[in-house]
Amino acid sequence: EAGVVQSPRYKIIEKKQPVAFWCNPISGHNTLYWYLQNLGQGPELLIRYENEEAVDDSQLPKDRFSAERLKGVDSTLKIQPAELGDSAVYLCASSLERGEIAEAFFGQGTRLTVV
Amino acid sequence: QKEVEQDPGPLSVPEGAIVSLNCTYSNSAFQYFMWYRQYSRKGPELLMYTYSSGNKEDGRFTAQVDKSSKYISLFIRDSQPSDSATYLCAMSWYGNKLVFGAGTILRVKS
Repeated sequence: EAGVVQSPRYKIIEKKQPVAFWCNPISGHNTLYWYLQNLGQGPELLIRYENEEAVDDSQLPKDRFSAERLKGVDSTLKIQPAELGDSAVYLCASSLERGEIAEAFFGQGTRLTVV
Repeated sequence: QKEVEQDPGPLSVPEGAIVSLNCTYSNSAFQYFMWYRQYSRKGPELLMYTYSSGNKEDGRFTAQVDKSSKYISLFIRDSQPSDSATYLCAMSWYGNKLVFGAGTILRVKS
C-alpha cells in the first residue's frame, strides 16, 4: 500500500514569491491534515479536512495561506506571498476516520526555505 | 505554558541500554496518547498508541500513561543504533487535533 505522497520534497524560493505544496493521501482515507514543523519543534496543525470540508482551519494564517482539497482526495497548500519565517517543513497526514486521529500516517514532508 | 512538555535532549545512551522518554501535559481532556518516531528528513511514524491510562507493550517498546499525574512514558529495551531518532509524544481527545511535544533526540551509540 502506498503511503502519503508529498511533493516537492524540497523548495527554495525568494521572499514574496508564491509557493504550493501537493499531497496525495492514502487511498480511502477521508481525513487529511496539513502540519507545520519548525526546526526542533513538534508538528502543529494548520488545517484538517473531512472529505472536501475544512473542519478545523483555526491555525491557518488566512492572509497568506490557503488550502484546497478538491473531490476529497488530493490537497494543495499555498503560500502567497512567502515570508522568511515560513521556512519550515510542511507535513501532510491522512487517517481513515475522524475519531481515529491516532492512526494518522504522515508523508515525508516538504522542506521550504525562503531566502 | 505549552499543553505538552517534552525534554528536547539530546539523550545519548550505549547500545543495549534501557531508554526512558517522557512527556507531561496540562489538558485533562486528553484521552489518546501516542508516540511517534521521526528519522532525520522523514515524516513522523506512529510507534505506540494508548487510550486512557495503563500500559501497552509492543516488542522492545512499552508505553505508560498516568492520567492522575498527567505523565506519559515510552521505554525502549535493548536499545539499538537504529533507534537513534527524534521521539515525539502526541495526544488528543476524540475528534480533535493531535497536540505534539517538541520531541526528544535519542542517540544510541554502538
